[in-house]
Amino acid sequence: AQTVTQSQPEMSVQEAETVTLSCTYDTSENNYYLFWYKQPPSRQMILVIRQEAYKQQNATENRFSVNFQKAAKSFSLKISDSQLGDTAMYFCAFANAGGTSYGKLTFGQGTILTVHP
Amino acid sequence: GAVVSQHPSRVICKSGTSVKIECRSLDFQATTMFWYRQFPKQSLMLMATSNEGSKATYEQGVEKDKFLINHASLTLSTLTVTSAHPEDSSFYICSARAWDSGYTFGSGTRLTVV
Repeated sequence: AQTVTQSQPEMSVQEAETVTLSCTYDTSENNYYLFWYKQPPSRQMILVIRQEAYKQQNATENRFSVNFQKAAKSFSLKISDSQLGDTAMYFCAFANAGGTSYGKLTFGQGTILTVHP
Repeated sequence: GAVVSQHPSRVICKSGTSVKIECRSLDFQATTMFWYRQFPKQSLMLMATSNEGSKATYEQGVEKDKFLINHASLTLSTLTVTSAHPEDSSFYICSARAWDSGYTFGSGTRLTVV
């Protein structure tokens, strides 16, 4: 079974600064997807960024980028130029691309990020 | 983009009654939907995988008879909490795979059993 670990229960950052959220995972699969989701106080889950395991290039979406280290099974999220609207709970998630658990998302414990003005 | 509509957003029910939560894919066909439960400031825990036209697959520890899942069409999956008790109070979220590797989530249902 896959596991996803987020070791930072809470993080805080000043507006306009950069923050990195860490995530590690464990799997024996070679083909999979990794995600970062944001859950603001409204509790709507919002996709921040997605990475396919077969792609070596790190995914980037505007101010959000990842550092994907496949051998180390690490998938950290960097938020640049933090904004007040980035305040939310962030979840790292894993999904198999095949096999019996195909399609299931496994979530980490979450990191509560607070952006201070 | 792909949208999943979840209703109701909030429901309060009396202990012993049943509550139905609906998830509807609005602009795509969802052959598979997932149901999660989330406690405050905690992660999402997968309860079951709902497949159109077949029985749902429940995760270990989830009571099949208490959490009834029906996925009768390609656009609708329902979760019924039967004989609800205060310990069933939680936030329930559905999710669907809209396309290869893409997941979209409903807005969630806050269930309070009194």
